[in-house]
Amino acid sequence: EDQVTQSPEALRLQEGESSSLNCSYTVSGLRGLFWYRQDPGKGPEFLFTLYSAGEEKEKERLKATLTKKESFLHITAPKPEDSATYLCAVLRMDSSYKLIFGSGTRLLVRP
Amino acid sequence: EAQVTQNPRYLITVTGKKLTVTCSQNMNHEYMSWYRQDPGLGLRQIYYSMNVEVTDKGDVPEGYKVSRKEKRNFPLILESPSPNQTSLYFCASYRGDWGYTFGSGTRLTVV
Repeated sequence: EDQVTQSPEALRLQEGESSSLNCSYTVSGLRGLFWYRQDPGKGPEFLFTLYSAGEEKEKERLKATLTKKESFLHITAPKPEDSATYLCAVLRMDSSYKLIFGSGTRLLVRP
Repeated sequence: EAQVTQNPRYLITVTGKKLTVTCSQNMNHEYMSWYRQDPGLGLRQIYYSMNVEVTDKGDVPEGYKVSRKEKRNFPLILESPSPNQTSLYFCASYRGDWGYTFGSGTRLTVV
């Protein structure tokens, strides 16, 4: 069964304290892995797409990496405005275009 | 601006009173989908549509209906809402490498 598991569920960091969020996945054929940011009461906002093991993408203080079984979202020197829920999702290699989401990691960055 | 527009943003209704949540996208996308988001359960797919007049069930379709008469619109219909359908709902359209573009959400409360 396809499954996406994110850890930790919640993470509290001091401003400037770097850390990583984990997304482990089991899927029958990976078309792509997506990271989204979600602020309270709002829709998920696209961050990255990763397609193959070894791929890396960066945007400001965020860097996403992918292996055959998991993905990491590295946050370098976070700021309070990085506080949000970060969602990982996988897209299967079939015609359904269905995104399977993890439950997310709630990140709080304190000044 | 490329966007998915949902209405209403907030809705409180009573058990059994039919309601429709509208969704419209301006990107000429073929694929659209509805998700619901509940604490601890993440985002789960309700229904999706591959194109006009082509719809199919997602993971949690019970109690919901959809229609796709035009490419831009994909309304979600609750014929007889029940309290267990209280949730945060998102409409989304598929953007290929960008994954999904999500609407701002509809918070539904059924009393």
